[in-house]
Amino acid sequence: KQEVTQIPAALSVPEGENLVLNCSFTDSAIYNLQWFRQDPGKGLTSLLLIQSSQREQTSGRLNASLDKSSGRSTLYIAASQPGDSATYLCAVYTGTASKLTFGTGTRLQVTL
Amino acid sequence: EPEVTQTPSHQVTQMGQEVILRCVPISNHLYFYWYRQILGQKVEFLVSFYNNEISEKSEIFDDQFSVERPDGSNFTLKIRSTKLEDSAMYFCASSVYRDGIQYFGAGTRLSVL
Repeated sequence: KQEVTQIPAALSVPEGENLVLNCSFTDSAIYNLQWFRQDPGKGLTSLLLIQSSQREQTSGRLNASLDKSSGRSTLYIAASQPGDSATYLCAVYTGTASKLTFGTGTRLQVTL
Repeated sequence: EPEVTQTPSHQVTQMGQEVILRCVPISNHLYFYWYRQILGQKVEFLVSFYNNEISEKSEIFDDQFSVERPDGSNFTLKIRSTKLEDSAMYFCASSVYRDGIQYFGAGTRLSVL
């Protein structure tokens, strides 16, 4: 059974810092991995999707990497801003079951 | 930009009542999903739907749950007899491809009293 873990559970950084969020998964037989952002009481916004054959994806100040064999992904946020404050979720898609398995998330607060 | 829309945003119901949660997926998407998130917990998969059939369902998705695509645009989740533990945020999602990006709606908060 696929288990997804995210570390740290919460993170507070001053504006302007670069930061790394971590995601690990137990079953490396994944099709892809998706990073989402969730604002309090709101839905999930897709940030990046990395296919299993890729090692990196970039969108603006966000860069996600994937090391499938070791079961890890990182989300790098450059030059953090207060508007980045949210919960960040990673989710893996295993092709045998057409569903996403989510981690518990990292709650990020970027302070002025 | 196309988006997944869900109605209502908040539903309050009495235990034992039936509820229907509604979703309008993105128009050219073929795969549809329901997930739920109990307060403070992980987002959990409930069911996936393709070609008017359930493709996959979790152990949570028991006989009390059903899904339907009654027309070309709506996708509904019905809970026949709600329980207190059904209280959660329910998210609908859709994708073009089976392993493509899943786009989520804003969710329906279900409160069972």
